[in-house]
Amino acid sequence: KQEVTQIPAALSVPEGENLVLNCSFTDSAIYNLQWFRQDPGKGLTSLLLIQSSQREQTSGRLNASLDKSSGRSTLYIAASQPGDSATYLCAVRNTNAGKSTFGDGTTLTVKP
Amino acid sequence: EAQVTQNPRYLITVTGKKLTVTCSQNMNHEYMSWYRQDPGLGLRQIYYSMNVEVTDKGDVPEGYKVSRKEKRNFPLILESPSPNQTSLYFCASSLSGFSGANVLTFGAGSRLTVL
Repeated sequence: KQEVTQIPAALSVPEGENLVLNCSFTDSAIYNLQWFRQDPGKGLTSLLLIQSSQREQTSGRLNASLDKSSGRSTLYIAASQPGDSATYLCAVRNTNAGKSTFGDGTTLTVKP
Repeated sequence: EAQVTQNPRYLITVTGKKLTVTCSQNMNHEYMSWYRQDPGLGLRQIYYSMNVEVTDKGDVPEGYKVSRKEKRNFPLILESPSPNQTSLYFCASSLSGFSGANVLTFGAGSRLTVL
């Protein structure tokens, strides 16, 4: 059974710092890995999707990498801002068709 | 606007009173899925549908039913709700369940309280 782990569970940084969030998964048979942002009490907003054949994706200040063989992904946030404060979730789409598995998330606080 | 719409957004009900949470998408997506989110347990998949009339269990299907009679709608049915089904529910969809290129798009969530 696929298991997804995110470390750290919480992170607090001063504004302007670069940071890395980690996601690991136990089964490399995946279609893709997707990073989401969730604000308190809100829905999930997709940030980046990396297909299993890709190594990384970039969007603005965000860069996500995928090492499928080692079961790891990282989300790099450059020049963090207070508006980046949220919970970041990673999810893998397993190759047994419809199943998705989510990590528990990393709660990020960026202090002004 | 491309979106996944859930209703109701908030609901307080009592044990045993059947309820349906609707989910509709306007993107012609084949794949749809339901999740629940609980503190300390994260997001867990309840049911998913690869296409019309094709549904399957996720990790926590007990106490729930679904149907997929038309492509745009995927309702979640709680036949006899119990307090342990108090949760935040999310519906999501993507173009296909078989492709790695398809982004999973979420609805805004439905907060359900069962007394």
